[in-house]
Amino acid sequence: GDSVTQMEGPVTLSEEAFLTINCTYTATGYPSLFWYVQYPGEGLQLLLKATKADDKGSNKGFEATYRKETTSFHLEKGSVQVSDSAVYFCALRGYSTLTFGKGTMLLVSP
Amino acid sequence: DGGITQSPKYLFRKEGQNVTLSCEQNLNHDAMYWYRQDPGQGLRLIYYSQIVNDFQKGDIAEGYSVSREKKESFPLTVTSAQKNPTAFYLCASSTQDSEAFFGQGTRLTVV
Repeated sequence: GDSVTQMEGPVTLSEEAFLTINCTYTATGYPSLFWYVQYPGEGLQLLLKATKADDKGSNKGFEATYRKETTSFHLEKGSVQVSDSAVYFCALRGYSTLTFGKGTMLLVSP
Repeated sequence: DGGITQSPKYLFRKEGQNVTLSCEQNLNHDAMYWYRQDPGQGLRLIYYSQIVNDFQKGDIAEGYSVSREKKESFPLTVTSAQKNPTAFYLCASSTQDSEAFFGQGTRLTVV
């Protein structure tokens, strides 16, 4: 079945540092890929998405590129802010449902 | 405003009780989902529905039940058969092939 694997956290960075959160997936066909963000006590919000190979999703300074050859969708941001502290989930759209990774907590200190 | 609404935000259940979590959407989405979130476990799918009057079990359906009598509504009942129900429950909706939109969640605690 479909699966998503993302790096375990927490990832701890200083403000303005470069961020990478790794995500790899296993799926049949060519799934759409997503990154969601969750702030404490809230639901998940879509951060960015890519629907086909080599697509780059971007939003609020975050980027991720759909790499079919490595089955990866790594999340990057050039300069993180304290307000980026949250839990980030990688997900894929399979045939009938979405499959999520376990989430990676990001902690950014001033 | 279009969106997905879960209620209540906090819910307390006594041992042996059934409780029902509400989920309503006005996005005209066909598909709706219930996920359970536990610390360090990510999101696990409980039930999903792709069309009115039809639903399928997810990975952890035991102890839960759902109904889908209206397109807008997908309530989840946590039955007394669910031995460890304390968790954060998330409802989501989507079109058949797009991203999901999530509600704000319901935190259920057994007292």
